[in-house]
Amino acid sequence: QVQLVESGGGVVQPGRSLRLSCAASGFTFNTFAMHWVRQSPDKGLDWVAVIWYDGSNENYADSVKGRFTISRDNSKNTLYLQMNSLRGDDTAVYYCVKENHGVWFDAWGQGTPVTVSP
Amino acid sequence: DIQLTQSPSFLSASVGDTVTITCRSSQVINTFVAWFQQKPGRAPNLLIYAASALQRGVPSRFSGSGSGSGTDFTLTITTLQPEDFATYYCQQLYNYPRTFGQGTKVAIK
Repeated sequence: QVQLVESGGGVVQPGRSLRLSCAASGFTFNTFAMHWVRQSPDKGLDWVAVIWYDGSNENYADSVKGRFTISRDNSKNTLYLQMNSLRGDDTAVYYCVKENHGVWFDAWGQGTPVTVSP
Repeated sequence: DIQLTQSPSFLSASVGDTVTITCRSSQVINTFVAWFQQKPGRAPNLLIYAASALQRGVPSRFSGSGSGSGTDFTLTITTLQPEDFATYYCQQLYNYPRTFGQGTKVAIK
């Protein structure tokens, strides 16, 4: 059974950094691309970033490009999101998402909340 | 970026009703469309992928279709059940950035 467990969220001041982690289990982690998706309070879904199965490529939303870095450690079955220069509009629940068949988002973690506030 | 517009944004319905949600893309995306259900405080759950393929474990009262234009898609829920009251999102996976519709909340009438 696929399990994705995020951690690392919390309250942080604007301009500071935070690193999210996502522990994966129940599938062969090193064969699937992984994504981060966020959802602001009472708002819709906002795709953040993707990393290829082997870490060879990444892609980012324009709103986080240059500030956020997605990475993975396939030896630890763990996905990361390093978030720097955080802003108020980064406040959201951050979900770790598994991609299947090279496209579809078929498994989501429970999410970890990030609040950026003075 | 590809924009997805869902309609309606809100609808109220009764148990047993059939509801249809539409998702229109700002450009052709072929069948690279998925539909998700999200309940309060929970992560989204994949219902439909490739516009019309039912994800394993999802009840058959959920169905998806495309108009053939590659820009217009629908999610239909027949015989609405109490557990179906939730918010539904479409998503395009044609290119990056992946984008979502703004959501359709299905509430109890």
